Amino acid sequence: DVKVTQSSRYLVKRTGEKVFLECVQDMDHENMFWYRQDPGLGLRLIYFSYDVKMKEKGDIPEGYSVSREKKERFSLILESASTNQTSMYLCASSFRMLSNQPQHFGDGTRLSIL
Amino acid sequence: AQKITQTQPGMFVQEKEAVTLDCTYDTSDPSYGLFWYKQPSSGEMIFLIYQGSYDQQNATEGRYSLNFQKARKSANLVISASQLGDSAMYFCAMREGDQTGANNLFFGTGTRLTVIP
Repeated sequence: DVKVTQSSRYLVKRTGEKVFLECVQDMDHENMFWYRQDPGLGLRLIYFSYDVKMKEKGDIPEGYSVSREKKERFSLILESASTNQTSMYLCASSFRMLSNQPQHFGDGTRLSIL
Repeated sequence: AQKITQTQPGMFVQEKEAVTLDCTYDTSDPSYGLFWYKQPSSGEMIFLIYQGSYDQQNATEGRYSLNFQKARKSANLVISASQLGDSAMYFCAMREGDQTGANNLFFGTGTRLTVIP
């Protein structure tokens, strides 16, 4: 089975802190994604990566950056956390060459910024 | 314009009955794929079923089937014989294009299904 592991289920940070959310997948997927999920808004794409060291902005990249130094790991960085970044964050991965295959998700990180 | 629209914020269904969750989509690309995911209260996203735009038959996976009406741009999820464990949020999502690339998904806002004993 595909395993996508997010480093924390729950995280509490303070305004202005630099926050790192880590995601690791074990299926050799080329594509990796970061979403945030808010009630009534569904999932919105923050950033994605289709290869090591490659990154592309999604729909809501402001206030975030990402890092992909290794194929299996995709990190989301909140440069200076703000209260409006309190949300559920979901990481996903998929094969690049199989467009009919689903994205596989981690369990999510519920991040609270105080 | 929204690419994926789920108009039912919440639905109730009696245990053992069937339920249909609505999803309409908007794309001008002739090649696309539609996905349904289930999200229980624990938070993980579970893939349920996939329908490609060129697929001739409606997709089925166990108790899940997809009522795909291409001309109406709808891809409704049908759950037969509902079980208490089906209570969850359900998301419809679309991938546009046939390119083997990053295959981004556009998600709807979800429908919360509650199964009543």
